[in-house]
Amino acid sequence: SYDLAQPPSVSVSPGQTARITCSGDALAKQYAYWYRQKPGQAPVLVIYKFTQRPSGIPERFSGSRSGTTVTLTISGVQAEDEGDYYCQSADSAGTYVFGGGSKLTV
Amino acid sequence: QVQLVESGGGVVQPGGSLTLSCAASGFIFSSLGMHWIRQTPGKGPEWLAFIRYDGDFIYTADSVKGRFTISRDNSKDTLFLQMHSLRTEDTAVYYCANSIEGVTDDAFDTWGQGTMVTVSS
Repeated sequence: SYDLAQPPSVSVSPGQTARITCSGDALAKQYAYWYRQKPGQAPVLVIYKFTQRPSGIPERFSGSRSGTTVTLTISGVQAEDEGDYYCQSADSAGTYVFGGGSKLTV
Repeated sequence: QVQLVESGGGVVQPGGSLTLSCAASGFIFSSLGMHWIRQTPGKGPEWLAFIRYDGDFIYTADSVKGRFTISRDNSKDTLFLQMHSLRTEDTAVYYCANSIEGVTDDAFDTWGQGTMVTVSS
């Protein structure tokens, strides 16, 4: 097993840029994925394979990687972007781990 | 569109058993890997199990290995999770999710709405 570390909370004003990081040794070799979860709802995939955006996800969502840290960037944050954000990765043994989550407050 | 609907949750006593179902629609179920994930209120998701599109490969988290079994019926577009020897710490919302078609089995594309499992005496 392995750990993915996220800041517990991130706070930005509307229109600003939010950056949420996720760190872990596994990220040097494995892809990272990001999910947003709003209260009472299931998580939604917002970024896959570090940088790819699923259809229907706004262009203001982007992802990047540097070494063992991945970053979810939300440009021009809107109130509707509030929620909990989780990073996730996999290892070669077929197990999947989530980060602890970051609460984005707008 | 892709839809996943879980069912079978409820209240069960410690040591009891429960089987969850996930009915899939809107995509070719037999072509995608499927996952079960759970989430305790106020905490992050925890991945539980994966089954390949044809059922021939299964991965299970160590935390539930030997107690939980994932399976699928491609003729009925349905995913299952058999849970035995349930413990109070298994109390959570249980979600099914599909892999990303044509991209990877290592992520969770669409999630169901979840079904609540409460283990309590």
